[in-house]
Amino acid sequence: GAVVSQHPSRVICKSGTSVKIECRSLDFQATTMFWYRQFPKKSLMLMATSNEGSKATYEQGVEKDKFLINHASLTLSTLTVTSAHPEDSSFYICSAERTSGNEQFFGPGTRLTVL
Amino acid sequence: AQSVTQLGSHVSVSEGALVLLRCNYSSSVPPYLFWYVQYPNQGLQLLLKYTTGATLVKGINGFEAEFKKSETSFHLTKPSAHMSDAAEYFCAVSPTGGGNKLTFGTGTQLKVEL
Repeated sequence: GAVVSQHPSRVICKSGTSVKIECRSLDFQATTMFWYRQFPKKSLMLMATSNEGSKATYEQGVEKDKFLINHASLTLSTLTVTSAHPEDSSFYICSAERTSGNEQFFGPGTRLTVL
Repeated sequence: AQSVTQLGSHVSVSEGALVLLRCNYSSSVPPYLFWYVQYPNQGLQLLLKYTTGATLVKGINGFEAEFKKSETSFHLTKPSAHMSDAAEYFCAVSPTGGGNKLTFGTGTQLKVEL
């Protein structure tokens, strides 16, 4: 149990386009989901906390208009990178927290490459 | 504010040798503590966690960690390294009570040599 999926696993896009990444909790309900960004050889940096049915809470320095987060249901959160630029290329990882617990379960990550 | 320090960005051990990955935290109150493992191009997998109770925590794959409040440490150990243990390891903390964001250390790359 406690499986989190992400789609797509890899995406390559042109500069200026928008990319949507999905994060799904497959076998549990997640009131809260988290979006992280990981640069090569670096740690995970929390971008935002996504709560079902409400606006996401963004960390300092993260542009909310660029990284749009929607948590429309208890099993799905989406991250849309708008007007992507090469500097947005990174590994994006989501995690989901059970409604009834305090442990985060991580997705396998999405590798975004912006040309 | 919480922070996590992982001493040694790279650790190399021989197969069968002891693995010791260091983690120290800074927090106004003892937090919840976690160790995660990440294989290349994959997400994070929880190895073990400390919330309350026994300070020596056993996790998956033969790993264990001991919470030492006096030293503000949560070092990860494994008695005998296996080739399959080669990966990136992250220590993380969250505020007591859970339900909150994790703060990660910078990670330690473990290399296991024959």
